[in-house]
Parts: sequence; structure tokens; C-alpha cells
Amino acid sequence: QVTLKESGPVLVKPTETLTLTCTVSGFSLSDTRMGVSWIRQPPGKALEWLADIFWSDGKSHGATYLKNRLTISKDTSRSQVVLTMTNVDPVDTATYYCVRTNWNRGITYYFDCWGQGTLVTVSS
Amino acid sequence: DIQMTQSPSSLSASVGDRVTITCRASQSIGTYLNWYQQKVGEAPKLLIYAASSLQSGVPSRFSGSAAGADSTLTISSLQPEDVGTYYCQQCSSHPITFGQGTRLEIK
Repeated sequence: QVTLKESGPVLVKPTETLTLTCTVSGFSLSDTRMGVSWIRQPPGKALEWLADIFWSDGKSHGATYLKNRLTISKDTSRSQVVLTMTNVDPVDTATYYCVRTNWNRGITYYFDCWGQGTLVTVSS
Repeated sequence: DIQMTQSPSSLSASVGDRVTITCRASQSIGTYLNWYQQKVGEAPKLLIYAASSLQSGVPSRFSGSAAGADSTLTISSLQPEDVGTYYCQQCSSHPITFGQGTRLEIK
């Protein structure tokens, strides 16, 4: 059974750094198609993709306008992916989802298993 | 970045109706398009990938098609459990982008 579980703070102050951890299980980390993305959803708003990283080669991508604030990394030995967002603002208040990403390069790319999400509030 | 525009933003239909949701990309994306369903209080769920491939376990009343920059999600016979918000997502190129969502309710 594939599972992804987000963990991290529920409340962060403006200008601080947010660090979220995703712990995965149930799928092969050596599969070249498999990776993990972070997707967020502000309350009552649409989904927004933030970043992805792939197990086999460690290559990652990030949202254009957030690239200077985002870092995504993986710890294969712990089956974890970590997202770091610097200089947070109240507009970063959202539910953050960790999502398995299935990428058959040049053919398909989709999010087929989602964590339950974690609500992060940015407020002083 | 590729912009995704869904229409309508919301719709109300009766049980048994055929429902169509459209997604238009700011440039041609071919079949690099996925659809998700999100019920209130839940994480999204993958319905359709590669424009027309049904994800395992998804009812066959859901179908998708694509041509150029336009993609369509169709529910052939609306059921009460289909209430929720539907999102399209392009995967033609990074950064990955979603549509703004279509809220579907039962009349």
C-alpha cells in the first residue's frame, strides 16, 4: 500500500522558514518513473504545484515565481522528501500536499497518490 | 508558464445528466493533460491521465478527450457521489500548472 505522510509546523511566523517533510512507503524508490511533488491549496482556492524531485537521478523542478524561495531535497535512506520555503508570508497559508509523481518521460506525468495534506498557517 | 483555463467555473446538473467540463491551455499541449476530482475535505483524486486514459478504479462514466489546446472531461450520467471540484492539469512542460477548478453540484 502506497502512503505519503506530511509533517511539519502548523503555525509559522512571517519571514520565517517553513520546512515540511514527506515520508513515503509502499513504492519502489529505484523506479526511474517515481518521484514526489509538493502541491498546495490556499483555503477555498485552487491547487498550485510547487516542486518535484525524482528518486533515480535527484533532478528537481520548481514553480517559476517561487524558485528563489523553494528548495526540495530527498533522503533516500529515510524515504523522505523535504520542502523548504524561506521568508514565508500570510499568503503562503495553505494545505500542503505531498504527492507521488509518476513520470514516464515524454509520455505521461501525473499525480496518482496523495497524502492527506497538512494545513500550515502563516501568522504573527 | 502554460496557463490553464477551465469552463465553466461552476455548474449544477441533475442526476443522470451528461456533464462536460472544458480546459483550454495557453498553448498546444496535445494529450499532456490530466483530470482530478476533489471532494470537500479530501485530497484530490486522479481520474484521467494522458487526456483519455482512465485511472484504475475510476468509474467508466468518466471520460476525457483532447485536441490541440483544448481538453474535455465528460461524465456520461451524473451520480450524487460526483459532487465536488474538478481540476485539469497540464504536464506538457515544467512548471506544472492547474486550472482554476470547476465546482459541480447536483440540482
